[in-house]
Amino acid sequence: GQQVMQIPQYQHVQEGEDFTTYCNSSTTLSNIQWYKQRPGGHPVFLIQLVKSGEVKKQKRLTFQFGEAKKNSSLHITATQTTDVGTYFCAGQKDSNYQLIWGAGTKLIIKP
Amino acid sequence: EAGVVQSPRYKIIEKKQPVAFWCNPISGHNTLYWYRQNLGQGPELLIRYENEEAVDDSQLPKDRFSAERLKGVDSTLKIQPAELGDSAVYLCASSSGRFLAGGNTGELFFGEGSRLTVL
Repeated sequence: GQQVMQIPQYQHVQEGEDFTTYCNSSTTLSNIQWYKQRPGGHPVFLIQLVKSGEVKKQKRLTFQFGEAKKNSSLHITATQTTDVGTYFCAGQKDSNYQLIWGAGTKLIIKP
Repeated sequence: EAGVVQSPRYKIIEKKQPVAFWCNPISGHNTLYWYRQNLGQGPELLIRYENEEAVDDSQLPKDRFSAERLKGVDSTLKIQPAELGDSAVYLCASSSGRFLAGGNTGELFFGEGSRLTVL
């Protein structure tokens, strides 16, 4: 069945370093969404990408959707302690409305 | 505007006991989702409602899980009997249901979740 693979599972960074998480789908997606879940919290929507090759920025966060609409990435520049949490991608196909979630990448700031 | 409200926040029960979770979605949101999230994993869809109709329940373990959304607003998710493996956070989410091109559901709004511990 359709899967969305997300890597890495964890990323430890020093505060101020960059962070990147990647999602890859086995099939073409109609769109992909990104969510952030703080420790002990619930997923909160960050952004949705729809167009092939789309790039969107939110302050220090840069989101990309691949040309083939099968992969996506989230890059955070100069991480801060407020960035701590797990970042999930969730892809959707044209043929149904089900969101297929990645396993998430946990951003950990080294003390 | 109030967000998605879930209750209870925490529930501890012994195995074989029943448990029920309640969700009140954002006003006007036609689409309601129940997800299960195990520690360190992404949310897994259990059931999706469009108004009062369950349109995707393919991943709901129907031998012990049931759900309803009477009148297309509030929803309840029940487990009977609970098993040790059911320990997880049960998340309710809603979306406006105003689909964009390509079957796009748009943003999902999640509640705080109900953390279930089965002993």
